Amino acid sequence: DTGVSQNPRHKITKRGQNVTFRCDPISEHNRLYWYRQTLGQGPEFLTYFQNEAQLEKSRLLSDRFSAERPKGSFSTLEIQRTEQGDSAMYLCASSPRGPGQPQHFGDGTRLSIL
Amino acid sequence: KNQVEQSPQSLIILEGKNCTLQCNYTVSPFSNLRWYKQDTGRGPVSLTIMTFSENTKSNGRYTATLDADTKQSSLHITASQLSDSASYICVVGPMDSNYQLIWGAGTKLIIKP
Repeated sequence: DTGVSQNPRHKITKRGQNVTFRCDPISEHNRLYWYRQTLGQGPEFLTYFQNEAQLEKSRLLSDRFSAERPKGSFSTLEIQRTEQGDSAMYLCASSPRGPGQPQHFGDGTRLSIL
Repeated sequence: KNQVEQSPQSLIILEGKNCTLQCNYTVSPFSNLRWYKQDTGRGPVSLTIMTFSENTKSNGRYTATLDADTKQSSLHITASQLSDSASYICVVGPMDSNYQLIWGAGTKLIIKP
């Protein structure tokens, strides 16, 4: 399977703990995106990478959230000191360079905060 | 404020029937409009992408239309199948951003046998 891969698929943790998610994009895609999605809503943009450079971060994103894409390949999203409101599906997508390209999504990591 | 609104919120139809989902947006200027299908517990999958100058685009039994003057789009599904049960999300790409798309909340479609 050469699609976008996300790990883990599910994460349950206690409030206050740190969590880290991983995304492996389609290999030839240089753009990578992170989204958060809650039940009954569309995905909410979190951040965007072009190769290893983080070019945009949502103003709604707390400082507890950080993302990296160290070698322009896989990416990690870390949430520090998790809160109840962080419970959501975290989606990763990738796309080739160029306007109007479709974003290809992974199946997400579902985070549940106890 | 850039917004994308979809209707209906949910829809139930019988297998084999056609249906049309609506999308109204206030994003201006915009570069493209997309429709995605999202199965429960899965990531969204791209169905169609239309630039602002296109009026219609098809992908199998899915046909999307766009009226940039009225800022409306629709997704028509022909001869529905049980596998069409999913959420359908309308997404608008603003002109000033190649990546920060504006997502609707989706229409949840249920196909009954």
